[in-house]
Amino acid sequence: GENVEQHPSTLSVQEGDSAVIKCTYSDSASNYFPWYKQELGKRPQLIIDIRSNVGEKKDQRIAVTLNKTAKHFSLHITETQPEDSAVYFCAAKPGGGADGLTFGKGTHLIIQP
Amino acid sequence: DTAVSQTPKYLVTQMGNDKSIKCEQNLGHDTMYWYKQDSKKFLKIMFSYNNKELIINETVPNRFSPKSPDKAHLNLHINSLELGDSAVYFCASSQGTWQGQYFGPGTRLTVL
Repeated sequence: GENVEQHPSTLSVQEGDSAVIKCTYSDSASNYFPWYKQELGKRPQLIIDIRSNVGEKKDQRIAVTLNKTAKHFSLHITETQPEDSAVYFCAAKPGGGADGLTFGKGTHLIIQP
Repeated sequence: DTAVSQTPKYLVTQMGNDKSIKCEQNLGHDTMYWYKQDSKKFLKIMFSYNNKELIINETVPNRFSPKSPDKAHLNLHINSLELGDSAVYFCASSQGTWQGQYFGPGTRLTVL
């Protein structure tokens, strides 16, 4: 089955700086890679996703890059703001079936004022 | 206009009891899921279900069973509850296998 590794487990950055979270996956059949943000006591919320036929995707201050050869993908947040503080999860799944997502263990992002 | 809803939000019960958690989505999605989030915040798939197939994570005890009365609902039944079942359970749904999954608010289950 799929295994997703996520680093770092905790990331502290100054407000206004950039944050990068990295994930690797094991199953070459995986072709869909979403990122979720979870605030304390709340549900995971989809913030951006990327499919294997694309190398990069951007949405305002958030971007995701994918390297299928190396089996890794990354989340980039620029101009961080206090409201970006949360736990971020990467995930992977193979397309074509009803399989669920395999999640990384999460990164606790702390934005220092 | 809640997209994915779950009831109850909190569930406190004794070991050995049987309980159910309900999930409903009004997004018209064709696939629904159950995830377990443990005390270390690790999210793990339990079940995936659409009208064609049910996929069960092999690590899930057979005390857990999903039941889908219709396309908009996927309920989770748990028999003979154990202390280790204490966690937050999230329902989610998606349209097809290439689209994002949207999560419900979660049900915090505490087994005493």
